[in-house]
Amino acid sequence: EDKVVQSPLSLVVHEGDTVTLNCSYEVTNFRSLLWYKQEKKAPTFLFMLTSSGIEKKSGRLSSILDKKELFSILNITATQTGDSAVYLCAATRNQFYFGTGTSLTVIP
Amino acid sequence: DAGVIQSPRHEVTEMGQEVTLRCKPISGHNSLFWYRQTMMRGLELLIYFNNNVPIDDSGMPEDRFSAKMPNASFSTLKIQPSEPRDSAVYFCASSHARTGQRTYFGPGTRLTVT
Repeated sequence: EDKVVQSPLSLVVHEGDTVTLNCSYEVTNFRSLLWYKQEKKAPTFLFMLTSSGIEKKSGRLSSILDKKELFSILNITATQTGDSAVYLCAATRNQFYFGTGTSLTVIP
Repeated sequence: DAGVIQSPRHEVTEMGQEVTLRCKPISGHNSLFWYRQTMMRGLELLIYFNNNVPIDDSGMPEDRFSAKMPNASFSTLKIQPSEPRDSAVYFCASSHARTGQRTYFGPGTRLTVT
């Protein structure tokens, strides 16, 4: 059965902390892995990863994919209250398999 | 739990045809969302229902799009007439207050309008 599992389910940190969010997947004919940030309406696209071991960075956010161990991590350094959101990952082949998200709360 | 179920998984149709996408939310969830994903715009919220009632349809692109939720276990998104620019992946998602409004996404319907 194809599935995506995210951990932890929720996380509460203080501003300035660094967090690592995990996404493991079991999807046959895997094509890519996507990370989204969901605050209010629609999730905002963060990264798409297709190659193993190549880190993608955007400001304080970075992500990497391990296609051998079938997981990805999303790192956020120097967290800010504006980073509070649910972070979703999705593995794709012909369709999307979403995880249930990690709810991140950053306390001032 | 089967999760959110969407059908069809893929739809290829000609411009001008009517397209109907279907969604079965997770049993017990009382909020249902329709999203559209394109390369240009990313994920956009089209409409969401709470207790089968449309709450916010401000994301629906134009009158060619309509959505219904006749009961708690079924929703449709209809495009009539379809146009090539409607080609996208359409997601349905559901949630419930008891899940902390955590949203569960379906696998998506990939629509291609030629």
